[in-house]
Amino acid sequence: AQRVTQPEKLLSVFKGAPVELKCNYSYSGSPELFWYVQYSRQRLQLLLRHISRESIKGFTADLNKGETSFHLKKPFAQEEDSAMYYCALIHSNTGKLIFGQGTTLQVKP
Amino acid sequence: SQTIHQWPATLVQPVGSPLSLECTVEGTSNPNLYWYRQAAGRGLQLLFYSVGIGQISSEVPQNLSASRPQDRQFILSSKKLLLSDSGFYLCAWKRRAGAIAPLHFGNGTRLTVT
Repeated sequence: AQRVTQPEKLLSVFKGAPVELKCNYSYSGSPELFWYVQYSRQRLQLLLRHISRESIKGFTADLNKGETSFHLKKPFAQEEDSAMYYCALIHSNTGKLIFGQGTTLQVKP
Repeated sequence: SQTIHQWPATLVQPVGSPLSLECTVEGTSNPNLYWYRQAAGRGLQLLFYSVGIGQISSEVPQNLSASRPQDRQFILSSKKLLLSDSGFYLCAWKRRAGAIAPLHFGNGTRLTVT
């Protein structure tokens, strides 16, 4: 069965510290993975997708098929990065997006 | 440009009462439509999705139902609410063509069943 796991409910770091939000997945085919973000009082929105190999707001995520992981990383956290982050996997046949439980990132000054 | 509207923003309903949440999308046609529920500690759970008018797929057994009477309208309903139906409900759409097209979410409805 397809599943996305984010083991940390809350990650708290100081400004300037590196950040890694963990995401592991279970999928029988070739996965398409995403990170979504929800800032306070804003809509849930796409942050980045693995197929684009992009860096958005300093965040990157690399798909590791051997470890079935798609961890989100940023070398130097900023206070404005504080938000709820969701890792998601798309089911290629149906287009369904399956989300993890979410991780709240708290960046302290 | 495409927009998605979801209402109401908040709702407090007694147990056993009916529910109707509405979602409409503008600026696109033939979208895939989704209802998600965001419950504390459980992340985002897919409830229903639709690839066309009258076509609804249910992901989890529950006392909720969904309908798509028009191409860009998606309704979440219940005949009798349970306490466990409390949560934050999100409607979303994506382009049908292209499996990796991103989801676009509405502002959500905070439902409290008392």
